[in-house]
Amino acid sequence: DAGVIQSPRHEVTEMGQEVTLRCKPISGHNSLFWYRQTMMRGLELLIYFNNNVPIDDSGMPEDRFSAKMPNASFSTLKIQPSEPRDSAVYFCASSYLDRTDTQYFGPGTRLTVL
Amino acid sequence: AQSVTQLGSHVSVSEGALVLLRCNYSSSVPPYLFWYVQYPNQGLQLLLKYTSAATLVKGINGFEAEFKKSETSFHLTKPSAHMSDAAEYFCAVSDQNTGGFKTIFGAGTRLFVKA
Repeated sequence: DAGVIQSPRHEVTEMGQEVTLRCKPISGHNSLFWYRQTMMRGLELLIYFNNNVPIDDSGMPEDRFSAKMPNASFSTLKIQPSEPRDSAVYFCASSYLDRTDTQYFGPGTRLTVL
Repeated sequence: AQSVTQLGSHVSVSEGALVLLRCNYSSSVPPYLFWYVQYPNQGLQLLLKYTSAATLVKGINGFEAEFKKSETSFHLTKPSAHMSDAAEYFCAVSDQNTGGFKTIFGAGTRLFVKA
């Protein structure tokens, strides 16, 4: 299995621009998670989906952030408009819908907003 | 709701010395607990997990952790540190809420290994 795939791996953009991060979960997994990691705030859960349905988006910072999962094999996290404080590494992870199951993380997207 | 607390944001050991990373949990139900490791410029990966079977759990790379209910702890140990163990380690607990499960991660402990 190829594991969780994220694209792009690096993104540099200017303040005010729209940014779209993409994730392909492991085939057969039915839960998908978006995290943000910074030195200051550590690892934060932004949103997670079960069977393509958003379950908990309480971690989404503000209305500038949105996430979709149109099917079981694809999800996007969009920031519009982007701000310098959004600079971070964004991780996608997937797992089975099971309390004991492992989360499998992608390699992350390093976002820099100038 | 479940939570975990990792004691010490940074731990430094000499190569060959014992590694001990501390984690305490808070849970109103029998917890399912995890340790993940993050190497530089990579995502997190599972080291080991406790799912109510044996209290001593063995993981990859020689790590193990012991679940102690009386102490609400799940500390991670390795008898002899290697330079390649330098990474950030996250303790985590599985939390159930409406519609599914999510993993609650601790703040992380960065392990430094000195030659």
